[in-house]
This record gives sequence, structure tokens and C-alpha cells, in this order.
Amino acid sequence: SQQGEEDPQALSIQEGENATMNCSYKTSINNLQWYRQNSGRGLVHLILIRSNEREKHSGRLRVTLDTSKKSSSLLITASRAADTASYFCATNTGGFKTIFGAGTRLFVKA
Amino acid sequence: NAGVTQTPKFQVLKTGQSMTLQCAQDMNHEYMSWYRQDPGMGLRLIHYSVGAGITDQGEVPNGYNVSRSTTEDFPLRLLSAAPSQTSVYFCASSYGWGGTDTQYFGPGTRLTVL
Repeated sequence: SQQGEEDPQALSIQEGENATMNCSYKTSINNLQWYRQNSGRGLVHLILIRSNEREKHSGRLRVTLDTSKKSSSLLITASRAADTASYFCATNTGGFKTIFGAGTRLFVKA
Repeated sequence: NAGVTQTPKFQVLKTGQSMTLQCAQDMNHEYMSWYRQDPGMGLRLIHYSVGAGITDQGEVPNGYNVSRSTTEDFPLRLLSAAPSQTSVYFCASSYGWGGTDTQYFGPGTRLTVL
């Protein structure tokens, strides 16, 4: 099984609603990153949160990290149709390698 | 800056053929990586490099070779293509160590092996 697993696998919401995606992992991490991937494109970095941080914000994005539960969440507030994409969490446990989850597919209906 | 560029965008190979996927970055990043993305499995690291002349294996290195003769270029070679290598390949670079720094991804190469 993977180090980082996103939940849900797919999410469909109306424009203006909030979208919450979760990521669980198995071993202790140095940091966790969230990326977005639009269909047919490469990944774009959204936020990096370190293991000693609990929450970070970037515009309409809010990321939380709970190391005791080995989980993170990504909240997108006031979603827009342009937010339609796949969202991936990526964990680093030390060393160079970053492990990506399978992603959450978000569809925002206009 | 062009960022991270990859060529070709699409490629169809027959089993047993070899080819090189090109990756270049113009951000003077030391760290570069190759990933493959398969449906439902996220990205898996194939090979990475921490600087010119230095490469190492990732999670799924078998069937692939890399070299890093310059800071800018990091080509991925498929030695003898197999249907299991049908995937989308992404190259990424970062200024610092990929685990602690933002990785910038190329647009990907969609490879089909028949």
C-alpha cells in the first residue's frame, strides 16, 4: 500500500461550495506537499507543510497536518470551475524520495 | 524562462524498441527526477539526480537508464520497450532537495508500447 492515500478518490461539488480532501500516511514524515494536476498537464505545487507545522494558508487554500493521526487535509474554499483537477499529496520521510498518493479527482460544476 | 520542457509529447513504440525521452530545465536547478504516472497509482519515482554527473535509482528503475552530463538536461532512456512501460512520464526539477523544496514539473510524455 502507498505511503500517502487520498480520500475521497473523487469529489463533485457545485461552484461556490467548499471542497475538502484528505491524505493519510503510514510512517513519520519530514514534510507533506499538495499538488494540483489539470487534465493532460504536469503537476503544479500548491503548498508544503512541515512536520512541526499544523496549518498553512495560501489564498483560498488551507492545509492542516495532524501528525498524531498521520493525516492532512486540503480545503479549497469558494470553489470555482477552474479548480476542477486532480489533487495529490506527497510525503517525504527523509532522503531525496517523495512519495505521491493516487490523488483525488475534483469536479466543480458551474 | 521556459521552465521544464519535455519532448516528445506523444510516442508510440513497438515492443523491443529503444528511445530517449528528453527533459531540460532552464532554472539552474540541481535536482531533477523522472516519474511515471499510471491510472490509480499516483506518481512513482524512476530515477533522480542531485547534480551533474550524479544519478540514483528510485522506486521503479528497471528498464530505464539516465545520465546527467549537464545541469540543464536529464534524458531518460528506455532500453528495450515493453507494454508494461506504457505510461505518462513526467520530469521534474527543484532548486533544493526535492523532499523539502517545490518541484517543477514538465508537461509530460505519453508513451504507448504496443
